[in-house]
Amino acid sequence: QQQVKQSPQSLIVQKGGISIINCAYENTAFDYFPWYQQFPGKGPALLIAIRPDVSEKKEGRFTISFNKSAKQFSLHIMDSQPGDSATYFCAARMDSSYKLIFGSGTRLLVRP
Amino acid sequence: DGGITQSPKYLFRKEGQNVTLSCEQNLNHDAMYWYRQDPGQGLRLIYYSQIVNDFQKGDIAEGYSVSREKKESFPLTVTSAQKNPTAFYLCASSIPGYTGELFFGEGSRLTVL
Repeated sequence: QQQVKQSPQSLIVQKGGISIINCAYENTAFDYFPWYQQFPGKGPALLIAIRPDVSEKKEGRFTISFNKSAKQFSLHIMDSQPGDSATYFCAARMDSSYKLIFGSGTRLLVRP
Repeated sequence: DGGITQSPKYLFRKEGQNVTLSCEQNLNHDAMYWYRQDPGQGLRLIYYSQIVNDFQKGDIAEGYSVSREKKESFPLTVTSAQKNPTAFYLCASSIPGYTGELFFGEGSRLTVL
Protein backbone atom coordinates (compact mmCIF):
# COMPACT_ATOMS: atom_id res chain seq x y z
CA GLN A 1 0.00 0.00 0.00
CA GLN A 2 2.96 2.30 0.37
CA GLN A 3 4.21 1.69 -3.14
CA VAL A 4 4.22 4.09 -6.04
CA LYS A 5 4.33 2.28 -9.37
CA GLN A 6 5.99 4.13 -12.23
CA SER A 7 6.04 3.40 -15.96
CA PRO A 8 7.63 3.15 -18.41
CA GLN A 9 11.10 2.20 -17.21
CA SER A 10 12.65 3.94 -20.21
CA LEU A 11 11.40 6.26 -22.91
CA ILE A 12 12.83 7.56 -26.16
CA VAL A 13 11.26 10.65 -27.73
CA GLN A 14 12.20 12.77 -30.71
CA LYS A 15 13.02 16.42 -30.16
CA GLY A 16 9.81 18.42 -30.13
CA GLY A 17 7.66 15.47 -29.10
CA ILE A 18 5.65 14.88 -25.95
CA SER A 19 7.09 12.73 -23.17
CA ILE A 20 4.57 11.08 -20.86
CA ILE A 21 5.45 9.26 -17.64
CA ASN A 22 2.80 7.61 -15.50
CA CYS A 23 2.54 6.76 -11.82
CA ALA A 24 -0.08 4.96 -9.76
CA TYR A 25 -0.61 4.58 -6.04
CA GLU A 26 -2.91 2.74 -3.68
CA ASN A 27 -2.75 4.62 -0.39
CA THR A 28 -5.34 7.40 -0.19
CA ALA A 29 -3.42 8.92 2.72
CA PHE A 30 -0.88 10.36 0.28
CA ASP A 31 -1.33 14.13 0.12
CA TYR A 32 1.54 15.47 -1.92
CA PHE A 33 2.93 14.26 -5.25
CA PRO A 34 6.24 15.68 -6.47
CA TRP A 35 8.30 14.83 -9.52
CA TYR A 36 12.08 14.83 -9.36
CA GLN A 37 14.57 15.11 -12.22
CA GLN A 38 18.00 13.53 -11.99
CA PHE A 39 20.91 14.02 -14.38
CA PRO A 40 23.70 11.40 -14.52
CA GLY A 41 26.06 11.62 -11.57
CA LYS A 42 23.90 14.18 -9.77
CA GLY A 43 21.32 14.11 -7.05
CA PRO A 44 17.62 14.48 -7.93
CA ALA A 45 16.05 17.94 -7.91
CA LEU A 46 12.43 18.89 -7.49
CA LEU A 47 10.81 19.61 -10.85
CA ILE A 48 7.12 20.14 -10.13
CA ALA A 49 4.60 19.00 -7.52
CA ILE A 50 0.85 18.75 -7.07
CA ARG A 51 -1.65 18.24 -4.27
CA PRO A 52 -4.73 16.03 -4.72
CA ASP A 53 -7.19 18.93 -4.61
CA VAL A 54 -6.22 20.01 -8.14
CA SER A 55 -6.36 18.01 -11.36
CA GLU A 56 -3.56 19.71 -13.25
CA LYS A 57 -0.54 21.89 -12.65
CA LYS A 58 1.59 23.44 -15.36
CA GLU A 59 5.04 25.01 -15.12
CA GLY A 60 6.49 25.93 -18.47
CA ARG A 61 6.73 22.80 -20.62
CA PHE A 62 6.07 20.50 -17.66
CA THR A 63 2.52 19.51 -16.64
CA ILE A 64 1.28 17.17 -13.95
CA SER A 65 -2.12 15.60 -14.54
CA PHE A 66 -3.77 14.10 -11.47
CA ASN A 67 -6.70 11.67 -11.40
CA LYS A 68 -7.73 11.21 -7.79
CA SER A 69 -10.45 8.64 -8.45
CA ALA A 70 -8.09 6.45 -10.47
CA LYS A 71 -5.20 7.10 -8.06
CA GLN A 72 -2.94 8.00 -10.95
CA PHE A 73 -0.81 10.94 -11.87
CA SER A 74 1.39 11.66 -14.84
CA LEU A 75 4.11 14.00 -16.02
CA HIS A 76 3.86 15.49 -19.50
CA ILE A 77 6.87 17.19 -21.06
CA MET A 78 5.80 19.24 -24.07
CA ASP A 79 8.23 20.12 -26.87
CA SER A 80 10.80 17.74 -25.39
CA GLN A 81 14.42 18.83 -25.77
CA PRO A 82 17.70 16.89 -25.65
CA GLY A 83 18.47 18.76 -22.43
CA ASP A 84 15.46 17.05 -20.84
CA SER A 85 17.26 13.71 -21.12
CA ALA A 86 17.42 12.52 -17.53
CA THR A 87 15.85 10.11 -15.09
CA TYR A 88 12.49 11.17 -13.70
CA PHE A 89 11.04 9.96 -10.40
CA CYS A 90 7.52 10.40 -9.20
CA ALA A 91 6.97 10.36 -5.47
CA ALA A 92 4.25 10.57 -2.86
CA ARG A 93 4.17 11.76 0.72
CA MET A 94 1.82 10.49 3.34
CA ASP A 95 0.10 13.08 5.48
CA SER A 96 1.76 13.68 8.85
CA SER A 97 5.00 12.20 7.60
CA TYR A 98 8.43 13.33 6.59
CA LYS A 99 8.80 10.34 4.30
CA LEU A 100 8.66 10.45 0.53
CA ILE A 101 7.90 7.20 -1.30
CA PHE A 102 9.59 7.16 -4.69
CA GLY A 103 8.66 5.38 -7.89
CA SER A 104 11.27 3.24 -9.64
CA GLY A 105 12.23 5.95 -12.13
CA THR A 106 11.97 6.53 -15.88
CA ARG A 107 15.03 7.08 -17.99
CA LEU A 108 14.13 9.60 -20.72
CA LEU A 109 16.23 10.07 -23.84
CA VAL A 110 15.29 12.87 -26.21
CA ARG A 111 16.89 12.41 -29.62
CA PRO A 112 17.95 15.54 -31.55
CA ASP B 1 26.44 28.98 -1.86
CA GLY B 2 24.02 26.92 0.22
CA GLY B 3 23.81 23.24 -0.41
CA ILE B 4 24.55 19.69 0.60
CA THR B 5 28.03 18.28 0.33
CA GLN B 6 28.62 14.56 0.21
CA SER B 7 32.02 12.92 0.37
CA PRO B 8 33.68 10.96 -0.94
CA LYS B 9 32.12 10.90 -4.41
CA TYR B 10 33.56 7.45 -5.12
CA LEU B 11 34.59 4.87 -2.57
CA PHE B 12 35.89 1.33 -2.86
CA ARG B 13 35.99 -1.04 0.04
CA LYS B 14 36.77 -4.65 0.69
CA GLU B 15 34.21 -7.01 2.08
CA GLY B 16 34.09 -6.96 5.87
CA GLN B 17 35.08 -3.30 6.20
CA ASN B 18 32.92 -0.55 7.61
CA VAL B 19 32.84 2.73 5.72
CA THR B 20 31.45 6.12 6.65
CA LEU B 21 29.89 8.49 4.13
CA SER B 22 29.89 12.16 5.00
CA CYS B 23 26.97 14.54 4.54
CA GLU B 24 27.14 18.22 5.45
CA GLN B 25 24.55 20.91 4.80
CA ASN B 26 24.60 24.68 5.24
CA LEU B 27 20.93 25.23 4.43
CA ASN B 28 19.93 25.40 8.11
CA HIS B 29 17.52 22.52 7.55
CA ASP B 30 16.33 20.53 10.53
CA ALA B 31 15.51 17.31 8.69
CA MET B 32 18.09 15.14 6.95
CA TYR B 33 17.81 11.85 5.11
CA TRP B 34 19.83 9.04 3.59
CA TYR B 35 18.56 7.26 0.49
CA ARG B 36 19.99 4.35 -1.42
CA GLN B 37 19.60 4.24 -5.22
CA ASP B 38 19.85 1.03 -7.21
CA PRO B 39 19.09 0.69 -10.93
CA GLY B 40 15.40 0.11 -11.55
CA GLN B 41 14.46 0.43 -7.86
CA GLY B 42 14.15 4.11 -7.34
CA LEU B 43 15.24 5.69 -4.08
CA ARG B 44 14.79 3.79 -0.84
CA LEU B 45 14.97 5.46 2.55
CA ILE B 46 17.68 4.21 4.90
CA TYR B 47 17.48 6.62 7.85
CA TYR B 48 16.10 10.04 8.55
CA SER B 49 16.52 12.62 11.28
CA GLN B 50 14.09 15.39 12.09
CA ILE B 51 16.22 17.03 14.76
CA VAL B 52 19.65 16.87 16.35
CA ASN B 53 20.28 13.78 18.50
CA ASP B 54 17.25 11.99 17.08
CA PHE B 55 16.87 9.70 14.08
CA GLN B 56 14.54 7.00 12.82
CA LYS B 57 14.98 3.91 10.69
CA GLY B 58 13.70 4.00 7.17
CA ASP B 59 12.65 1.08 5.02
CA ILE B 60 16.08 -0.53 4.60
CA ALA B 61 18.07 0.34 7.76
CA GLU B 62 19.58 -3.10 8.35
CA GLY B 63 23.37 -2.99 8.07
CA TYR B 64 23.53 0.81 8.34
CA SER B 65 24.02 3.24 11.21
CA VAL B 66 23.85 7.03 11.54
CA SER B 67 24.46 9.79 14.04
CA ARG B 68 23.15 13.35 14.28
CA GLU B 69 25.32 15.22 16.74
CA LYS B 70 25.18 18.50 14.83
CA LYS B 71 22.44 20.11 12.79
CA GLU B 72 24.76 20.39 9.81
CA SER B 73 26.02 16.83 9.73
CA PHE B 74 24.42 13.42 9.21
CA PRO B 75 27.07 10.75 8.50
CA LEU B 76 26.11 7.26 7.36
CA THR B 77 28.13 4.17 8.23
CA VAL B 78 27.78 1.15 5.99
CA THR B 79 28.70 -1.78 8.19
CA SER B 80 29.97 -5.21 7.26
CA ALA B 81 26.50 -6.51 8.15
CA GLN B 82 25.05 -4.91 5.01
CA LYS B 83 24.77 -7.81 2.59
CA ASN B 84 24.76 -5.88 -0.66
CA PRO B 85 26.34 -2.48 -0.03
CA THR B 86 27.36 -1.59 -3.60
CA ALA B 87 25.06 1.30 -4.51
CA PHE B 88 24.68 5.03 -5.03
CA TYR B 89 23.97 6.80 -1.73
CA LEU B 90 22.14 10.11 -1.59
CA CYS B 91 21.87 12.48 1.32
CA ALA B 92 19.08 15.03 1.45
CA SER B 93 17.63 17.69 3.70
CA SER B 94 14.35 19.54 3.97
CA ILE B 95 13.07 22.71 5.54
CA PRO B 96 11.31 22.52 8.86
CA GLY B 97 7.69 21.62 8.83
CA TYR B 98 5.54 19.84 6.38
CA THR B 99 7.09 19.63 2.98
CA GLY B 100 7.86 17.15 0.27
CA GLU B 101 10.72 19.10 -1.21
CA LEU B 102 14.03 17.42 -0.56
CA PHE B 103 17.34 19.02 -1.42
CA PHE B 104 19.82 16.36 -2.46
CA GLY B 105 23.58 16.17 -2.50
CA GLU B 106 25.44 14.81 -5.51
CA GLY B 107 25.76 11.35 -4.05
CA SER B 108 28.45 8.88 -3.08
CA ARG B 109 29.05 5.75 -5.13
CA LEU B 110 30.22 2.84 -3.01
CA THR B 111 31.67 -0.25 -4.61
CA VAL B 112 32.53 -3.33 -2.60
CA LEU B 113 35.30 -5.40 -4.13
